Amino acid sequence: DIQVTQSPSAMSASVGDRVTITCRASQGIGNNLAWFQQKSGKVPKRLIYAASSLQSGVPSRFSGSGSGTEFTLTISSLQPEDFATYYCLQHNTYPPTFGQGTKVEIK
Amino acid sequence: EVELVESGGGLVQPGGSLRLSCAASGFVFSDYYMDWVRQAPGKGLEWVGRMRDKANGYTTEYAASVKGRFTISRDDSKNSLYLDMDNLKTDDTAVYFCGRSVSGSWSNWLDSWGQGTLVSVSS
Repeated sequence: DIQVTQSPSAMSASVGDRVTITCRASQGIGNNLAWFQQKSGKVPKRLIYAASSLQSGVPSRFSGSGSGTEFTLTISSLQPEDFATYYCLQHNTYPPTFGQGTKVEIK
Repeated sequence: EVELVESGGGLVQPGGSLRLSCAASGFVFSDYYMDWVRQAPGKGLEWVGRMRDKANGYTTEYAASVKGRFTISRDDSKNSLYLDMDNLKTDDTAVYFCGRSVSGSWSNWLDSWGQGTLVSVSS
């Protein structure tokens, strides 16, 4: 199975900060990676697909980059509604695997 | 508007069985692969399995942790997806989500999710 290592596992940030979350895959996965946001007690919501494509309706402050084994989710200017847990998902091969999650908290 | 509504969760004893359902609306259900994903209390997301569409033979894939115990099926005439869970273990306790995936594009994984249904396995 492909292992996905997500970092950091948690972080504190302030409104307006630039936030970067990284996922590293144990082997190359092309651009077969998606990013999800999950607010406490809510349903996960896809933000990014194909590593860098923005899901319709998602604010442009969210962006994704990378290919192969290293991927990044960037929030250019953190907003109050962005405090949540973020997950990456590799879907290059079965079984698809999620990262462990990054909880973004208010500093 | 895409809508997925899970049902069937509840409390079951270890070794017991349960069937979850996912009712879909707002899109052509028969054109899509459908997935189940679960989340144990306070934990991360875990993919459980998938059923492909008719064009791809309704074939299935499962996570190793549930293979041989869980069975995914669908009824396109009812726009419904099912998850039959047998020989349940305490580790299967989780919120179970159904999700819409892949129709014509491999990039289209889990673009829509249901609200989830809680399965608790305990004696």
